[in-house]
Amino acid sequence: RKEVEQDPGPFNVPEGATVAFNCTYSNSASQSFFWYRQDCRKEPKLLMSVYSSGNEDGRFTAQLNRASQYISLLIRDSKLSDSATYLCVVNGYDYKLSFGAGTTVTVRA
Amino acid sequence: EPEVTQTPSHQVTQMGQEVILRCVPISNHLYFYWYRQILGQKVEFLVSFYNNEISEKSEIFDDQFSVERPDGSNFTLKIRSTKLEDSAMYFCASSGIRTGGEQYFGPGTRLTVT
Repeated sequence: RKEVEQDPGPFNVPEGATVAFNCTYSNSASQSFFWYRQDCRKEPKLLMSVYSSGNEDGRFTAQLNRASQYISLLIRDSKLSDSATYLCVVNGYDYKLSFGAGTTVTVRA
Repeated sequence: EPEVTQTPSHQVTQMGQEVILRCVPISNHLYFYWYRQILGQKVEFLVSFYNNEISEKSEIFDDQFSVERPDGSNFTLKIRSTKLEDSAMYFCASSGIRTGGEQYFGPGTRLTVT
């Protein structure tokens, strides 16, 4: 079983739409959770950390369900600039980050 | 805003040659990492480094690889006797704390082995 699994998409949505997607992780001892975004051939950029109570950063809302071991990201009022691959990332009691393969989102005008 | 920098942005080398990839982590960070991403695949952890020694390494990080912090600012990844399958994007990252710490990535070095 993969450590972090994501629906690869693509999610193709019009500007202004809401898009949401999840990821699941296999290690129940995982401690920290993040969403990164990656543009084509660029480095992963931290979008937001994900907290147990759920958290919001502008148009982005992240949720964590430890019992079911999944993390979600919701993007409201999508902008063209939101087009990217969104990486679900998990950290345990170790140093490394475990990455999902990414969910591709394309926002069209 | 402080950022991680990496040089070179693109390195082309012949199979069997040695390459050194360089990174300057964010200045007050204490934990340093190397990751790689083969084209079309996910980002994979290679190694973490703290207090001048390796903290953890993955199965990928075999004897062909080594890391070093030669001075107070640089963090290097050396790949000896490169193979075709080493072609990938190599990302350096740094964080201020260990577990739970957000890691910030450099722009990467694209390594092409011919």
